[in-house]
Amino acid sequence: GAVVSQHPSWVICKSGTSVKIECRSLDFQATTMFWYRQFPKQSLMLMATSNEGSKATYEQGVEKDKFLINHASLTLSTLTVTSAHPEDSSFYICSARETGMNTEAFFGQGTRLTVV
Amino acid sequence: AQKVTQAQTEISVVEKEDVTLDCVYETRDTTYYLFWYKQPPSGELVFLIRRNSFDEQNEISGRYSWNFQKSTSSFNFTITASQVVDSAVYFCALSEDYSGGSNYKLTFGKGTLLTVNP
Repeated sequence: GAVVSQHPSWVICKSGTSVKIECRSLDFQATTMFWYRQFPKQSLMLMATSNEGSKATYEQGVEKDKFLINHASLTLSTLTVTSAHPEDSSFYICSARETGMNTEAFFGQGTRLTVV
Repeated sequence: AQKVTQAQTEISVVEKEDVTLDCVYETRDTTYYLFWYKQPPSGELVFLIRRNSFDEQNEISGRYSWNFQKSTSSFNFTITASQVVDSAVYFCALSEDYSGGSNYKLTFGKGTLLTVNP
């Protein structure tokens, strides 16, 4: 199956700093990628839909200025958590779907963010 | 609005037992996709199956089988002869974008933690 690579797998940062998470589709092009957030022992909640070459679409209640998404190419989307706070600590996971193909979305391995 | 309910929060079985994970969904659309994903302790999501709303045939893949019943809006997942390696959180999910367009968003259930004991 298609491979989606997410980097880093885990990161610890200080409050007030920004953290960038990358999501890459390694062997296919993805016009659309999705960013999810998962709290411990909770479900995955969609944060935003990342569209190559245009603005991301955020779900209700997600601060777009807090979670900056950039989808500059057909194989890379980035999520930047700006001015991180301890409540932003979570598991962030992306998914990507091959452009023009009616297939399932593939998920990255996730990034565990801890803000101290 | 769409909703996925996995009523079983945790299930614990002994190896070789059969176990069924329940999933009930709500959607206004007549065309949609249903999914099951496995999330082992490492965190990544492993795709198990996708089923479109027009295909009510049950599916079997090795020890895994799925029972899709539109009449009860259910898409249950059964593991036969469970193994310790099956221990994970299992998520059922729904997408209303059958056409496969850019709005291919997944709504997840809360997941069921399956523990298979030796």
